[in-house]
Amino acid sequence: EAGVTQFPSHSVIEKGQTVTLRCDPISGHDNLYWYRRVMGKEIKFLLHFVKESKQDESGMPNNRFLAERTGGTYSTLKVQPAELEDSGVYFCASSRLNTEAFFGQGTRLTVV
Amino acid sequence: GEDVEQSLFLSVREGDSSVINCTYTDSSSTYLYWYKQEPGAGLQLLTYIFSNMDMKQDQRLTVLLNKKDKHLSLRIADTQTGDSAIYFCAESSTGGSYIPTFGRGTSLIVHP
Repeated sequence: EAGVTQFPSHSVIEKGQTVTLRCDPISGHDNLYWYRRVMGKEIKFLLHFVKESKQDESGMPNNRFLAERTGGTYSTLKVQPAELEDSGVYFCASSRLNTEAFFGQGTRLTVV
Repeated sequence: GEDVEQSLFLSVREGDSSVINCTYTDSSSTYLYWYKQEPGAGLQLLTYIFSNMDMKQDQRLTVLLNKKDKHLSLRIADTQTGDSAIYFCAESSTGGSYIPTFGRGTSLIVHP
């Protein structure tokens, strides 16, 4: 069984540009989560999908971040326009209902 | 203050035991977790403990929970260089969502 896959693994963009991160959850996992870790800080929850619906998006920093999960399969997280403080590692995780969440390897985003 | 706190660095000699400590604030925490992140890899769930347990042992890993003091520890016996990684403490007070809240992570450095 394939694990949670995130793409790209690294991204370096200039301030003001747009970046789209992708997460492919484990097949059959209805729950999909996005987290972010800014350098040296804790891993912070961003949002939670159940299938294609946003269950909880209380952790989204601001309206420059847009997450989608059309069809309830893979998810994208778009940052537009990117700012320097958006740099960090973005983790995606998926789970079945009420079970352990499996994490992807993360996307390291650097905004310069 | 932060919901989950842990020290940032721990350095041990190969073969010694490592003890990574964590404190949390949510008294309704149901699950306490330890995740490991090796360089360039995703988050791997190492072990978890239910809040009604005091201790859990799994091979070289021992988790101790002091619910009264809201203190969690991870002991790694016979620490090896391959144990060098960042260890994240996390808790979830479920409500059915199982979304963990993470600490900043403790960088474990194992030297010969």
